[in-house]
Amino acid sequence: DGGITQSPKYLFRKEGQNVTLSCEQNLNHDAMYWYRQDPGQGLRLIYYSQIVNDFQKGDIAEGYSVSREKKESFPLTVTSAQKNPTAFYLCASSMGLADSTDTQYFGPGTRLTVL
Amino acid sequence: GNSVTQMEGPVTLSEEAFLTINCTYTATGYPSLFWYVQYPGEGLQLLLKATKADDKGSNKGFEATYRKETTSFHLEKGSVQVSDSAVYFCALSDLNTGFQKLVFGTGTRLLVSP
Repeated sequence: DGGITQSPKYLFRKEGQNVTLSCEQNLNHDAMYWYRQDPGQGLRLIYYSQIVNDFQKGDIAEGYSVSREKKESFPLTVTSAQKNPTAFYLCASSMGLADSTDTQYFGPGTRLTVL
Repeated sequence: GNSVTQMEGPVTLSEEAFLTINCTYTATGYPSLFWYVQYPGEGLQLLLKATKADDKGSNKGFEATYRKETTSFHLEKGSVQVSDSAVYFCALSDLNTGFQKLVFGTGTRLLVSP
């Protein structure tokens, strides 16, 4: 089955620690994205990558870092510099078409809680 | 900038009732429009989409028509089920950034009772 997997489903972190969230896709998509979701709000874009070894900041990149060493993988690190990291994190991927037909598909999400 | 406005929830309905969730947008150019659904504790699933004016997206009994004249993309279903209880997000694609950036509304929670 083709799809996007995220792990872990739940993650607890102590203040001052960095944590890395995993995102893997086997859809052969070029583009991948990370979003943050807070209660009662829409999704906000953290980082995106249109191709391997390239990524760009989204609207709320401060305190986060990413890498894109493989087409299938786009891990997100939440650093200690992120002031309010408790949230639901969603990874998405798409073919990366430069027109309006491109469609993003989402993983099941990781809920991060800072203790 | 581009934006999406959805009706506030929760929307509470009885099973078999008619559903409308309003969505209006502000955008330059001709974005694609999407409805995503999120079940409790899960990620977003694409429900339907429309890529140009007057297109109708449909899936699982849900429909939405891209209305350029009213800048709207309202979600409708003729007869809701308890299993439709979820949060529904309207979104548009913003290609002015050089990639398909999705702009989301804040979501509308639907609660369907038996």
